Amino acid sequence: DVKVTQSSRYLVKRTGEKVFLECVQDMDHENMFWYRQDPGLGLRLIYFSYDVKMKEKGDIPEGYSVSREKKERFSLILESASTNQTSMYLCASRRSNNSPLHFGNGTRLTVT
Amino acid sequence: QKEVEQDPGPLSVPEGAIVSLNCTYSNSAFQYFMWYRQYSRKGPELLMYTYSSGNKEDGRFTAQVDKSSKYISLFIRDSQPSDSATYLCAPLDGMRFGAGTRLTVKP
Repeated sequence: DVKVTQSSRYLVKRTGEKVFLECVQDMDHENMFWYRQDPGLGLRLIYFSYDVKMKEKGDIPEGYSVSREKKERFSLILESASTNQTSMYLCASRRSNNSPLHFGNGTRLTVT
Repeated sequence: QKEVEQDPGPLSVPEGAIVSLNCTYSNSAFQYFMWYRQYSRKGPELLMYTYSSGNKEDGRFTAQVDKSSKYISLFIRDSQPSDSATYLCAPLDGMRFGAGTRLTVKP
């Protein structure tokens, strides 16, 4: 079974803090994704990566950056957290472009 | 117009009912579609994925794609209380998701 692990289930941070959300997959998947999920808005794509050291912007990249130094790990960085970044963050991975996504259990981030 | 539209519900049915969950899409380039089930406070779990046009069955679940009308459906037979969750549809590229339909199956 594919396992996508997000390092924290719940996180509380203060406005202006730099926040790191970590995601690790154990199936040697090529592609990795970061989404946020908000009530009424569904899943929205923040960033994705097709391979190590590669990154592409999704629909809502503003205020976020990513890092993929190793194939199994994809980090989402909030450079200066703001209250409107309070959300559920979901990481996903897939073997290739023609494979389905596998999700982690999410990180519920609250910015106060 | 959103590329993937899904009625958010909520949808409430009695145990044993047949459930129909639906999505429409606008981009005719979409070929494969994914269906996910998401329990409260959990990540989405892949149920099945299907190529455009035709049916795919897996146990009590059947996914159907009508390419001509750009309409995809997920049917759940003999629904159970454990099926109570939010169901999400998306094209295989993962760039767009439906908003999700919240389903409650009452015992």
